[in-house]
Amino acid sequence: SNSVKQTGQITVSEGASVTMNCTYTSTGYPTLFWYVEYPSKPLQLLQRETMENSKNFGGGNIKDKNSPIVKYSVQVSDSAVYYCLLCFGNEKLTFGTGTRLTIIP
Amino acid sequence: DADVTQTPRNRITKTGKRIMLECSQTKGHDRMYWYRQDPGLGLRLIYYSFDVKDINKGEISDGYSVSRQAQAKFSLSLESAIPNQTALYFCATSDRQRVTNEQFFGPGTRLTVL
Repeated sequence: SNSVKQTGQITVSEGASVTMNCTYTSTGYPTLFWYVEYPSKPLQLLQRETMENSKNFGGGNIKDKNSPIVKYSVQVSDSAVYYCLLCFGNEKLTFGTGTRLTIIP
Repeated sequence: DADVTQTPRNRITKTGKRIMLECSQTKGHDRMYWYRQDPGLGLRLIYYSFDVKDINKGEISDGYSVSRQAQAKFSLSLESAIPNQTALYFCATSDRQRVTNEQFFGPGTRLTVL
């Protein structure tokens, strides 16, 4: 079965860089999506990582089953919940439980 | 029993037909969403509702309408279906009380428009 693990909460100061991890188990190579949910807003797609474009994302590689998202020089407005989602073809969706990122001014 | 159910699970229809997809939830959540998924793409939000009297358009609402009949029910309608609406449709719910506001998805409805 497929599963996704994300760090629950991260708090950093404004201007810092932050890495949010997404590690997963799967029986194949999925497409990986990152979504962000700002307060009182529904999900927004941030990025999509596949085997073809995996090397373009900072430190991420689908073969390693560890595809983090990195944000540099964060601002208070980056405070949100970030979800990692695995997708196999058009059938299976596996969501992580989300990382709540809090930026302190 | 599943917490979020969708009916029908599969539907084939013809261009121009009106079709309704139903979503019901027993989780007691106040927020409900409709998404569609297409091959190679992520979820795209069609409509969302944060309360029975609150309906909001998502990023691809054209050609769709919704009805929040009760807290537990959120229906998606295609007034005149067209082939590019062939997709996998997901309903989701969330509880504003949860820290991470995790969304819980239904099993999906596969719609084919001929």
